[in-house]
Order: sequence, then structure tokens, then C-alpha cells
Amino acid sequence: EIVLTQSPGTLSLSPGERAILSCRASQSLISTYLAWYQQKPGQAPRLLIYGASGRATGIPDRFSGSGSGTDFTLTISRLEPEDFAVYYCQQCGRSITFGQGTRLEIK
Amino acid sequence: QLHLQESGPGRVKPSETLSLTCTVSGRSIDRSSYNWGWVRQAPGRGLEWIGSIEYSGSTDYNQSLVSRVTVSIDTSKNQFSLKLRSATAADTAVYYCARLAGRAGTLIGWFDSWGPGILVSVSS
Repeated sequence: EIVLTQSPGTLSLSPGERAILSCRASQSLISTYLAWYQQKPGQAPRLLIYGASGRATGIPDRFSGSGSGTDFTLTISRLEPEDFAVYYCQQCGRSITFGQGTRLEIK
Repeated sequence: QLHLQESGPGRVKPSETLSLTCTVSGRSIDRSSYNWGWVRQAPGRGLEWIGSIEYSGSTDYNQSLVSRVTVSIDTSKNQFSLKLRSATAADTAVYYCARLAGRAGTLIGWFDSWGPGILVSVSS
């Protein structure tokens, strides 16, 4: 099983700042097989990024994904109030697994 | 507009079978462009993939659940279903059905559309 480790566990920032979230895989992944989701309380997850860097339909361009091999990053260039949520990475290179999540909270 | 909706009992007794159905509207489930899957989230915890199914009926399951889980598809009703046998309190979670997009002809992909989720409690 490929284990995804997200860091930090919690990130405290202010609106307007840049957020950088990390996802590290226990084995090298083909970039195509890495996705990112946003989840707000009481809601289903929402796909943000697929194929490591492709933005899903309707996702603002302040969200961007990058990385390769075992290290992947989700960057939110300028935080809006609605961006404070929990973020998960997911791999599908070998079966499907999710990271444990990063909570992005308002400082 | 694609819409997915989970349905089923909100409570299941320990050792019984947890059964849920996902009804898809706005798109035919038997088109080969997309596949379908189930993900769950225990209270206060992260996301856990349960299993996925192609329109043809081919499946892939989380190895930690494979001995207890079956995902099936009914194209005539535009639905797919989850059965989880021998339920325990550890199976208490919000269960989501979702559409799997990605590499055509495989169960490799990401979930691009989700149902709202249904809370299932396993208790006597």
C-alpha cells in the first residue's frame, strides 16, 4: 500500500497570505496519479487538482499543484476566507489511498 | 447536471450487513467514460476509500475491507450499491458515493463528483 503523509497537520495563516501544503508518498508515483481535495465541515470533499497539476472545473486559479516522484505540493497563492478548510491528497497509482489531511485555519 | 445521492438505513446492528445505494441522475451510469466508487469518513477522521466499480461490473477494493465488501452496479436503475458484511462499531462513518474520473478502461482515477454523504451508525 502506498502511504501518503501530509504536512503540516495544521497550518495557521491569515487571509491574503500564501499557503503551501505538502504530500509525501511512500513510493514514487506517476504524477498523473495524484489529486487534491478540499473539505469543509458537514460537506463532501471537492476535487481541486488532478494529475498533480490540473485544475478541476470551476476551481480558481489561486489553487495550483506541483510535484513529482514522492513529493507533491498544493499552493494557494492568496488565501480567501472561504479557503479555510481541510485538504486531502489522494493517489491512484496503486489502488487508492488518501493522506490524513491538513487543516488550514485562520490565524 | 450530474447528481449523486446515497440512500439506506442510518443505523445497522453489529454483525449485520450495511447496505447502501447510490442513485445517479443527469448522466447514464453505463457510459464507459467514468467509473464509480465509495469512500467513507469516520467521525472526526480522514477519508478512506472502500471500493470502485466500472460500468461493466469490474471491481477493485481496499485490501483492508476486501473480505467483507461487495460493490455492484445496476445500469437499468442508474444505481450502484455497497454491501459491507459483519459490521462493527468501527464501520460507523459518513459514507459517500462518487464518480471516478481518470484513465479510461481502468479503475485508476480521482473522484470528481460526490454525493452529500449519509451517516451510518453501527450500534445495537
